[in-house]
Amino acid sequence: DADVTQTPRNRITKTGKRIMLECSQTKGHDRMYWYRQDPGLGLRLIYYSFDVKDINKGEISDGYSVSRQAQAKFSLSLESAIPNQTALYFCATSAQSGRTDTQYFGPGTRLTVL
Amino acid sequence: AQSVTQLDSHVSVSEGTPVLLRCNYSSSYSPSLFWYVQHPNKGLQLLLKYTSAATLVKGINGFEAEFKKSETSFHLTKPSAHMSDAAEYFCVVSDQTLSGGYNKLIFGAGTRLAVHP
Repeated sequence: DADVTQTPRNRITKTGKRIMLECSQTKGHDRMYWYRQDPGLGLRLIYYSFDVKDINKGEISDGYSVSRQAQAKFSLSLESAIPNQTALYFCATSAQSGRTDTQYFGPGTRLTVL
Repeated sequence: AQSVTQLDSHVSVSEGTPVLLRCNYSSSYSPSLFWYVQHPNKGLQLLLKYTSAATLVKGINGFEAEFKKSETSFHLTKPSAHMSDAAEYFCVVSDQTLSGGYNKLIFGAGTRLAVHP
C-alpha cells in the first residue's frame, strides 16, 4: 500500500552494527506496528504503538527498540544486530474501527545480518 | 489462546481451475478473521475480512471465504485461478483478549499458491 512507506527496502549489515528501519504513513492512522516475517512462521509482532505516547512490546521484542517520533512515523532499531535478526520486516498501520481494526502493511524491508 | 492453522504450505493449480486454500482457527471468543495476500517482493494486501456479519465474505479479485463456526474454518476460494493469483496467502485471526482495545493479529504460516498454464 503506497500510503505506508518503509526505508530502506533492502539492507545488508554486519553483526554488532546499529540499524534503524523507518516507517512513514499518510493514512492518518493513530496505530502503528512492527512485524518480522520468517519463512514458515508467518508474521510475528515486535512492537506496537497506539499513539505518540504509547509504546508496547509484542511477542518478540528482545533485541529491538522503537521510537514514535510523530503520529505518522514509527522507527525500529536494532542496537547491535545479530545474524538471527535476518528477516523481512513489515510496518503496519490501523485506525480504531469498531470491533476490529484492519491493518495496512508497508512493502517491507529485507534485512540481512552477516 | 487463539491460533490459526493453514493446512497446506503449498497449493498448485492450473489456470482456470478452482482455488481452495484451507484455514482452521482456534478461538475462545467470536473471532475476526482475515485473508491477506503477499505477491513476490511486495507487502501484504488485504483480500477480505470477517467480523461477525455475513458468513460468506466476498473480497477483491474474485476471492471469497466462508466462516463456518461448527468446523472452526475460514477457507479461501476462487472459482477460476488466474496466473496473477500466484502468491503467498496468509490466514489471520484477531486476538481480542488483550486489554486496551488492541486487536492483536495472529498469522498462519502461509500457503504458497502456484498457478500453471
